[in-house]
Amino acid sequence: AQSVTQPDIHITVSEGASLELRCNYSYGATPYLFWYVQSPGQGLQLLLKYFSGDTLVQGIKGFEAEFKRSQSSFNLRKPSVHWSDAAEYFCAVGPLLGNQFYFGTGTSLTVIP
Amino acid sequence: GAVVSQHPSRVICKSGTSVKIECRSLDFQATTMFWYRQFPKQSLMLMATSNEGSKATYEQGVEKDKFLINHASLTLSTLTVTSAHPEDSSFYICSAKIGRLATNEQFFGPGTRLTVL
Repeated sequence: AQSVTQPDIHITVSEGASLELRCNYSYGATPYLFWYVQSPGQGLQLLLKYFSGDTLVQGIKGFEAEFKRSQSSFNLRKPSVHWSDAAEYFCAVGPLLGNQFYFGTGTSLTVIP
Repeated sequence: GAVVSQHPSRVICKSGTSVKIECRSLDFQATTMFWYRQFPKQSLMLMATSNEGSKATYEQGVEKDKFLINHASLTLSTLTVTSAHPEDSSFYICSAKIGRLATNEQFFGPGTRLTVL
């Protein structure tokens, strides 16, 4: 069965520190992977996506993610967190054709001064 | 990027009444629109997929007669929660997409908070 797991419900980091949010997936076919961010009262914004090619993908706002097929993971990273990064982060997996996205349960990020 | 709006952003209604939520793609024509439901501290769950001019496709476990979806144009989809009950209280999010490939981005609306008293 297809599923996405985000093991960390909540993470707190200091401003300027590095960040890694974990995402593991179970998917029967070639996965197409996404990271979204949701700020309070806002819709989801796409940070980055992976379809093929280089397994390290760059996104907006200084985020990057690395696809590791052997570990079924697609972890999101940022070298230096800013206070404005505080939000909810969702990992998602979807098919090439069709529309069935599977979202993880999200990781809430708190940034302390 | 493309903008998707939802109206209203927040609605409170009495049990037994119906509520309509609108989802609009403001600056593009959406091939497909999606409706998600999000419970507190939980993930988004796809409820249904709608294509303009055709019937919506509902996910397993979603009541078609409870959640009516109308996709009247390439820029507008509506979700009507009929005879709402407190257990229908949730955050409803729509998204819109151009084309069927996963490489085509889904653009999400800001969501509608429904509270049923």
